[in-house]
Amino acid sequence: AQKITQTQPGMFVQEKEAVTLDCTYDTSDQSYGLFWYKQPSSGEMIFLIYQGSYDEQNATEGRYSLNFQKARKSANLVISASQLGDSAMYFCAMRPYSSASKIIFGSGTRLSIRP
Amino acid sequence: SQTIHQWPATLVQPVGSPLSLECTVEGTSNPNLYWYRQAAGRGLQLLFYSVGIGQISSEVPQNLSASRPQDRQFILSSKKLLLSDSGFYLCAWSVLPTGPLAKNIQYFGAGTRLSVL
Repeated sequence: AQKITQTQPGMFVQEKEAVTLDCTYDTSDQSYGLFWYKQPSSGEMIFLIYQGSYDEQNATEGRYSLNFQKARKSANLVISASQLGDSAMYFCAMRPYSSASKIIFGSGTRLSIRP
Repeated sequence: SQTIHQWPATLVQPVGSPLSLECTVEGTSNPNLYWYRQAAGRGLQLLFYSVGIGQISSEVPQNLSASRPQDRQFILSSKKLLLSDSGFYLCAWSVLPTGPLAKNIQYFGAGTRLSVL
């Protein structure tokens, strides 16, 4: 079965601290892509970072990095030096190659940054 | 650059009324297009996707339908809304995947918040 699991429904972090959002996935495909999206209270889904299953290095985009552990089927998002504007819902997602264009989303983690 | 437009932003409709939500993409040709629904506090559920004009795939049986009359236009419709159709509807686009290593990142519109009363 193709599945994304986010076990942290909510997290509180102090401003300027680093935060790790957990994501595990399940797929029998050898080729797949992993994504993280941010959804602020406005509702728009904002693409943050992508990791391909064959990428040897962890993806990084500014303050975002993806801690990809293929053997553990884990794709955690790390946000360094958190800011108040990082408060939002965060969704992990996966595109198994066998599902063509379709992306499977996790249930999300609500991140709240404390000043 | 590519942009995606979705309207209206908010909609309040009575039960039994029709629905039409529109999504258009600019700056790209032959995109894949998607309609998702998000219940309050939940993840995204894929409703429909389209790989070309007139080509619609339905993911879940429901009271809704989708159409793609033009390359960059995707419409979500209903003939008679139900209370359970309330939710946040998101349209997204991506380029056609070119192989197993293709990223196929989906880019989303701002969403439509639908309340059926």
